[in-house]
Amino acid sequence: DAMVIQNPRYQVTQFGKPVTLSCSQTLNHNVMYWYQQKSSQAPKLLFHYYDKDFNNEADTPDNFQSRRPNTSFCFLDIRSPGLGDAAMYLCATSRVDSGDTQYFGPGTRLTVL
Amino acid sequence: AQSVTQLDSQVPVFEEAPVELRCNYSSSVSVYLFWYVQYPNQGLQLLLKYLSGSTLVKGINGFEAEFNKSQTSFHLRKPSVHISDTAEYFCAVSEFNTDKLIFGTGTRLQVFP
Repeated sequence: DAMVIQNPRYQVTQFGKPVTLSCSQTLNHNVMYWYQQKSSQAPKLLFHYYDKDFNNEADTPDNFQSRRPNTSFCFLDIRSPGLGDAAMYLCATSRVDSGDTQYFGPGTRLTVL
Repeated sequence: AQSVTQLDSQVPVFEEAPVELRCNYSSSVSVYLFWYVQYPNQGLQLLLKYLSGSTLVKGINGFEAEFNKSQTSFHLRKPSVHISDTAEYFCAVSEFNTDKLIFGTGTRLQVFP
């Protein structure tokens, strides 16, 4: 089945230790998104790629970076995780058209010790 | 700027009872509207969406929603809920010609036997 896959599902890191979260998709969608969802809150868009074009949200901290080496894969790098970065990180994909459905992966729950 | 308001943070209901989850939005331009469901420790799944046409939209799992432009609302309804409908429900909006979704803060639906 075509889908959005996130690895790992659970990630534990230490304060200040860089961490990378992975997302892959078999939908061949042009757009890939990264959201941060803290406990009992709405998902918050961090950035998205439209093909290779990177679009950063104005309030996304510099500590968060992303890479998209090809259509299928997208990575979220947190350079120096703080306790406040503990959250669920959701990857999503959609086709080019606006109004199109976003398909979400199962998420990676990040714990920062 | 767009915003989405979900007035009820929690909605408790007994099995087989009807339910309505409320969603209001604000935007200065035309929008697309979505309802997503999130089960514990999972990503979001699309329930239904309104792009244009009939204001009554039917989705998966027996849910439907009605777009009311004059009241800027998009309330979600189900005539008879099941235990398995217990989850977090998010209303979201995106403006024409954008890929960006703005989510409400979510409503936790708790179905009791």
